[in-house]
Amino acid sequence: GIQVEQSPPDLILQEGANSTLRCNFSDSVNNLQWFHQNPWGQLINLFYIPSGTKQNGRLSATTVATERYSLLYISSSQTTDSGVYFCAVHPTGANNLFFGTGTRLTVIP
Amino acid sequence: GAVVSQHPSRVICKSGTSVKIECRSLDFQATTMFWYRQFPKKSLMLMATSNEGSKATYEQGVEKDKFLINHASLTLSTLTVTSAHPEDSSFYICRISRGATEAFFGQGTRLTVV
Repeated sequence: GIQVEQSPPDLILQEGANSTLRCNFSDSVNNLQWFHQNPWGQLINLFYIPSGTKQNGRLSATTVATERYSLLYISSSQTTDSGVYFCAVHPTGANNLFFGTGTRLTVIP
Repeated sequence: GAVVSQHPSRVICKSGTSVKIECRSLDFQATTMFWYRQFPKKSLMLMATSNEGSKATYEQGVEKDKFLINHASLTLSTLTVTSAHPEDSSFYICRISRGATEAFFGQGTRLTVV
């Protein structure tokens, strides 16, 4: 099956710093999404981004489907950004969403 | 407002008992719902795909007799963990999708088997 690897696995930032999270996938995909899981377990959809670049406030994401990776940028990080960030992909021809290994972000004041 | 309601959010049960988790689609009819399991500090693993009116499709390695899934209506899917044991303790999350772009998750159920 498809492999979805994220890096780094853990990240600690000072409030106000910027960061880049990476998602690599091993096969062609129809869809890629980024999620934030808060400390209570709730998953929030951040971006649907099968290709190209999107921005939403302090967050932006870029997917280069031909090279099988996606990047999530967080600028001016805040303590409320803490949690786990997952990328998830729909492999070509499949309906299921497969999650990456996750990046655990801790933003300290 | 919430699109998916998952209940209960937290349950503690004795070893050997069964636990039922409900996932309701509040906003639209969902012919397909998905059940995931998440171990502490790990990623989400797809357990099964719940299909309204037919049998669920289980991922490799998931025991269908252990994790019973019922999708009797277009707005409700249930996951029953039968004869639960401590190793079944985990965080269970349901998901529904609207079209190709929108994925909505339940709040999750934290199961502890003692």
